[in-house]
Order: sequence, then C-alpha cells, then structure tokens
Amino acid sequence: DIQMTQSPSSLSASVGDRVTITCQASQDISNYLNWYQQKPGKAPKLLIYDASNLETGVPSRFSGSGSGTDFTFTISSLQPEDIATYYCQQYDNLALTFGGGTKVEIK
Amino acid sequence: EVQLVQSGAEVKKPGESLKISCKGSGYSFTSYWIGWVRQMPGKGLEWMGIIYPGDSDTRYSPSFQGQVTISADKSISTAYLQWSSLKASDTAMYYCARRGGYCTNGVCSVYFDYWGQGTLVTVSS
Repeated sequence: DIQMTQSPSSLSASVGDRVTITCQASQDISNYLNWYQQKPGKAPKLLIYDASNLETGVPSRFSGSGSGTDFTFTISSLQPEDIATYYCQQYDNLALTFGGGTKVEIK
Repeated sequence: EVQLVQSGAEVKKPGESLKISCKGSGYSFTSYWIGWVRQMPGKGLEWMGIIYPGDSDTRYSPSFQGQVTISADKSISTAYLQWSSLKASDTAMYYCARRGGYCTNGVCSVYFDYWGQGTLVTVSS
C-alpha cells in the first residue's frame, strides 16, 4: 500500500499569512494527488485535484503543486474562514488513501 | 443536484450487528463508485473501501478487509456499510462519498466529489 506522510500535523498562522503544507508519498504517484478541507463537524470538501487543479468554486488563494512523491498545498493569504483540517489523498487504482491531516489555526 | 443522504446516528452495544446506508440522488447511481471513509473521534480520514453499484464490484482497504461488508442495492440507489459484530473501537463517524473524475486520452482524474453528511456510530456497553 502507498503511504502518505503529511506535515506539519498542525500549524498556527496569522490572517494574511502564506501557509504551506506538504505531503509525501511512499512511492511515485505521478500527479494522482488531491487536497480536501474539513471544517469541524462537516464532511470534507474537495479543493484541489490532480495535484494542481482548482475545483470549481474554490477561491484562488488555494493552490497545489508537485508530482512524483512530493507535493505542496498553499494558502496564499490565510483567511478566518480557512480554519480547518486539510488532507491530502492519493489514488492508486481503486484505493484512495489519505494523509494524516494538518490542522490550521489562527494565531 | 447530486446528493448523498446517510442514515441517522446509531448507538449500539458491543457484539451487535449494524447496517448503515447512503442514498444517492441527482445522478446515475449505477455509473459511479461509492466509497466509505471512517473518522474516529479526533482523528483523520481513513479509506475503508469502495463499491460500483452497477455490478457490485467491491474493493476493501487491507485494514478493513474482513471487518466490514460493503454492499449496494441499485434498485433504490443505496449503498450500505455493515458490521456483524461491533466493537467499541468501531465508534466513529462514517462518511460515504461519490468517486468522481474524468478520463482524457486514457489518463484518469479520480477524487471524492460529493460526500454524505456522515453517520455517527457509537458502540458502548
């Protein structure tokens, strides 16, 4: 099974800050990497698919990059409504496994 | 409008059986895989398995193989997750999600594009 290592597990930043989360796959997954946002008490929401494609309706301050084993998720200017836990997810054939998550808080 | 509506919260005792449901609407239910995701209290998301309602082809995460059964009834556009003997460690929120995406020149994008609201399962003596 492909393992996904996400870091950091939590972070605290100020409104307006640039926030970066990384995700590393245990083997080459090309660009088969998605990012989700989960707010407390809610189901996850797709933000980025195929490593760098922004889902329709998602604000442009969210972005993703990378390929192979190393991926990055960025919030260019953190907003109060971005407080959530963010997960990467890889897909390998029919398996869609998640990273451990990054909890983003406001400083 | 695509919707996945899950059954309500359950409180069960260890050893009891349980079947929770996920009803799809607003799209062709038989044409998309439906996955199940576990979230234990205060923890992250875990992919459990996935089913194609069109022919009931089912795959499980190795971590959940033999622990749960995923099924679907395409006549009523509903997928199921069931346990034959619950344990306290099965206490969690369970989400169903539609596996969406598209293929271009043989290369496919795959993601969970629509999610149910979650079903909270509490197992306690």
